[in-house]
Amino acid sequence: EAGVVQSPRYKIIEKKQPVAFWCNPISGHNTLYWYLQNLGQGPELLIRYENEEAVDDSQLPKDRFSAERLKGVDSTLKIQPAELGDSAVYLCASSHTRLAATPLNTGELFFGEGSRLTVL
Amino acid sequence: RKEVEQDPGPFNVPEGATVAFNCTYSNSASQSFFWYRQDCRKEPKLLMSVYSSGNEDGRFTAQLNRASQYISLLIRDSKLSDSATYLCVVNPTDRGSTLGRLYFGRGTQLTVWP
Repeated sequence: EAGVVQSPRYKIIEKKQPVAFWCNPISGHNTLYWYLQNLGQGPELLIRYENEEAVDDSQLPKDRFSAERLKGVDSTLKIQPAELGDSAVYLCASSHTRLAATPLNTGELFFGEGSRLTVL
Repeated sequence: RKEVEQDPGPFNVPEGATVAFNCTYSNSASQSFFWYRQDCRKEPKLLMSVYSSGNEDGRFTAQLNRASQYISLLIRDSKLSDSATYLCVVNPTDRGSTLGRLYFGRGTQLTVWP
């Protein structure tokens, strides 16, 4: 079974340029997350989707960041314009929708390999 | 105050040693707890869930202390392959509801040397 797929793996852009990241979750996972991870820090949630609905986007800087998951499957995260401080790894993750729905109740998030952004 | 606090380390231990990590969480109503492992420049992966009664998986033991709001991870007989960053993760939502937002600690870096 394929895992969470993200692209591109690496992106280098100049400040004020736009950038977009794409994520395809594990088949059957209704919940999709975008996390940001800075060096030496843990992942921080940007946005969480249940199917096509953004149910938690309180940490998404909406002046420059946007995300969509139009058909409830794959998702795109966009930054426009990028700033120097946006340099980080952008991680996509997916999970079963309901914790109790998983027989082992592991509550596991499956992460993609991440998209490493460098803003010059 | 952060939702989850961890000592970033680094912890440097010889092979065969026993090492323990702790983390504290701020929301006393938190329901689910996990330890994730992240290798250098890789994505985080679930190591184990943490249950109220404590649980063990081979050389790894996880404990939860609700009264003091901390979680621990004990690694016995450390291997070179245990070198990684260990992330403490807390889910403040009730079991039976959606998985919701997971709060990650900054991680504790472990290096096991030969």
